[in-house]
Amino acid sequence: DAGVTQSPTHLIKTRGQQVTLRCSPKSGHDTVSWYQQALGQGPQFIFQYYEEEERQRGNFPDRFSGHQFPNYSSELNVNALLLGDSALYLCASSLRREAFFGQGTRLTVV
Amino acid sequence: DAKTTQPNSMESNEEEPVHLPCNHSTISGTDYIHWYRQLPSQGPEYVIHGLTSNVNNRMASLAIAEDRKSSTLILHRATLRDAAVYYCILDSGTYKYIFGTGTRLKVLA
Repeated sequence: DAGVTQSPTHLIKTRGQQVTLRCSPKSGHDTVSWYQQALGQGPQFIFQYYEEEERQRGNFPDRFSGHQFPNYSSELNVNALLLGDSALYLCASSLRREAFFGQGTRLTVV
Repeated sequence: DAKTTQPNSMESNEEEPVHLPCNHSTISGTDYIHWYRQLPSQGPEYVIHGLTSNVNNRMASLAIAEDRKSSTLILHRATLRDAAVYYCILDSGTYKYIFGTGTRLKVLA
């Protein structure tokens, strides 16, 4: 089992651009959550997908959107990038009270 | 969302036990207590979780107070590889984890 995989691992974007991050959950996991982790801080919950629908959302603007596909994989889209969006973006898949995190995508906005 | 309070940092000598405390005075009856740890440049790693009773696994033990308002993660013999940020999280079953700043554990050789 490959666990949770995220792509790309690193990304550099310019202010105002749009970005798409991808996540493949652990085999059999149907719930995918996304987190943003700024340097020196704990991860902050962005939103969660289950059965291809957004089930919960944290305190993030509408510039952050997502999608879940029938195979449970997921995408995180961020529009109109700001310098403050620079962070490690983590994907977690969940089953039976355990969440497994990917290694994250390091996004740098310049 | 229920919140937890942890010390910012702790130190331990290698091969000695480590007790990492967590306060969660606003815990509700259905909240599970989870512990994760995060090494530099990696995603958080599951350590252990429990509801009311103490729990043991190959990585650690979790001691839960009788009133459930606090818990302690116990690493029985700290190694250099255990140096990480440890997060205590409450989960009501929705997998919406609210992370604090965690406890940075330093293990001294």
